[in-house]
Amino acid sequence: GAVVSQHPSRVICKSGTSVKIECRSLDFQATTMFWYRQFPKQSLMLMATSNEGSKATYEQGVEKDKFLINHASLTLSTLTVTSAHPEDSSFYICSPGSGDEQFFGPGTRLTVL
Amino acid sequence: KQEVTQIPAALSVPEGENLVLNCSFTDSAIYNLQWFRQDPGKGLTSLLLIQSSQREQTSGRLNASLDKSSGRSTLYIAASQPGDSATYLCAAPFSSGNTPLVFGKGTRLSVIA
Repeated sequence: GAVVSQHPSRVICKSGTSVKIECRSLDFQATTMFWYRQFPKQSLMLMATSNEGSKATYEQGVEKDKFLINHASLTLSTLTVTSAHPEDSSFYICSPGSGDEQFFGPGTRLTVL
Repeated sequence: KQEVTQIPAALSVPEGENLVLNCSFTDSAIYNLQWFRQDPGKGLTSLLLIQSSQREQTSGRLNASLDKSSGRSTLYIAASQPGDSATYLCAAPFSSGNTPLVFGKGTRLSVIA
């Protein structure tokens, strides 16, 4: 299956700072990348869909100006949480769109103090 | 609204027992169904993928079934082991192509030695 990496795996930051999460598709050219988040004891919820070379689309309730997504190449998509607040603390995980069996990165645990 | 529901939310069994995890979905027009395993604080490991035209898939001690007409899937784990302890998630895309998955909330399984 597709090999997906994420960096960093864990980040702790102060409220008001910005955090960038990288997602790399190592053996698969991803024209689409799905970004999910998972709050404690909840399931994964789709946040946004990034498309290589075009603007990302966001799910209802997800602020596009707060969660900046860049999908500049077929192997790299980034999610930047701008001016992070404690309520943004969550597990962020990416998945390249494959149209069939889907694979996920190892996730990034964000804790905002 | 397309939803995936998993029952039970948590399950504790003694080692060696066979067990069944349940998943139901609201829209029978799913493209496929995937079962994942998630260890605490970790990403997702794909266990089984069942295409919409299939009724079941097997991998080792795992067997997943799919009944689209009733909107149900089950994951059967034979001869459970303590190493099977994890959260099991089912998820489905509700259309073909590059579409994201809709996840259930998962079943947290504990296998007691």
